[in-house]
Amino acid sequence: DARVTQTPRDKVTEMGQEVTMRCQPILGHNTVFWYRQTMMQGLELLAYFRNRAPLDDSGMPKDRFSAEMPDATLATLKIQPSEPRDSAVYFCASGWREDTEAFFGQGTRLTVV
Amino acid sequence: QQQVKQSPQSLIVQKGGISIINCAYENTAFDYFPWYQQFPGKGPALLIAIRPDVSEKKEGRFTISFNKSAKQFSLHIMDSQPGDSATYFCAASRRDSNYQLIWGAGTKLIIKP
Repeated sequence: DARVTQTPRDKVTEMGQEVTMRCQPILGHNTVFWYRQTMMQGLELLAYFRNRAPLDDSGMPKDRFSAEMPDATLATLKIQPSEPRDSAVYFCASGWREDTEAFFGQGTRLTVV
Repeated sequence: QQQVKQSPQSLIVQKGGISIINCAYENTAFDYFPWYQQFPGKGPALLIAIRPDVSEKKEGRFTISFNKSAKQFSLHIMDSQPGDSATYFCAASRRDSNYQLIWGAGTKLIIKP
């Protein structure tokens, strides 16, 4: 069945290293979201794309985070350099439009030590 | 104005009982109110959603009650089952902000057998 696929599922890295998280949205969906989830802050929207164009990345620390959609089947979220405070679960979600159901992937659990 | 306040933070209900989770908002421009359910290790999944032109929406054991004048909406889970144990998030969004979801903090629901 159709699902959003995220890789890797778990990532442990050292502070200062580059981290790349990948997301394959559901085929045909034209809206892709990146969220970060922590116990303290809950779910935070980092960025979202419509038809591969970035519409809002105001939730993302610009100096170290970047999000792209090189093609309709791949979205990436990069952190360079990573810091311990970036430790969280990062979710990708996709949908037809912003006001309809967003289908979430299983997340990438990032630990920066 | 952009916040969605969710309560309680955690809830324990006996099997067969009614679980009630409440959310309140300030911005009257919100026009889409979804509830998401999240199991440990999984991404959130849409449970049920409502728009402000109706006061109630029911899907199986799950009901959203919407009070526009009070700017509140709630999720009722009838005949609660252990399988309903999860974290529940309410959210709100509006057309003029591209339906960017504003999330509640979440409610951890435990159904005791």
